[in-house]
Amino acid sequence: EAGVVQSPRYKIIEKKQPVAFWCNPISGHNTLYWYLQNLGQGPELLIRYENEEAVDDSQLPKDRFSAERLKGVDSTLKIQPAELGDSAVYLCASSASGTGNTGELFFGEGSRLTVL
Amino acid sequence: DAKTTQPNSMESNEEEPVHLPCNHSTISGTDYIHWYRQLPSQGPEYVIHGLTSNVNNRMASLAIAEDRKSSTLILHRATLRDAAVYYCILRDYGGNQFYFGTGTSLTVIP
Repeated sequence: EAGVVQSPRYKIIEKKQPVAFWCNPISGHNTLYWYLQNLGQGPELLIRYENEEAVDDSQLPKDRFSAERLKGVDSTLKIQPAELGDSAVYLCASSASGTGNTGELFFGEGSRLTVL
Repeated sequence: DAKTTQPNSMESNEEEPVHLPCNHSTISGTDYIHWYRQLPSQGPEYVIHGLTSNVNNRMASLAIAEDRKSSTLILHRATLRDAAVYYCILRDYGGNQFYFGTGTSLTVIP
């Protein structure tokens, strides 16, 4: 079974440019997460989807970040315009709802963004 | 909103047992204790989870204090491949909220 797939793995852009990240979760997983991870820090939740609905986006900087999950499967995370401080790894994860006391998260390898 | 406290770093000799502690004094009755680890340049991966009783799986053991305010992840024989950052996370039963702290960076010495 394929895991969580993210692209691109690496992206280098100049500040003020837009950038987008794509995530394909594990088939059948209703819950999708986007996390941001700065160097030496743990992942920080940006947004969580239950199917198509964003149920927790309180940490998403909405002035420049946007996300969507059309049809409740793939998701994209966009930054426009990018700032130097956005340089980080963007992680996507998914889990199956209704797993009761399991709730295991499956992560992709991440997309590393460098803003120059 | 991590709710857990872990040492920043630990060292272990190869093939020795490793005990990674986690404090979660504000844990509620419905919070599960999850452990994930993150190898270099990879996303975190699930290790183990539990509610009240100690748990064992092929990767590790989880020892939970009787009052549930702390727990310990036990790697029975550390290998070089176990060098990673280990995260202790609380998850509300039925909820899908996972908040990571800064974790413990484990160094395994050959």
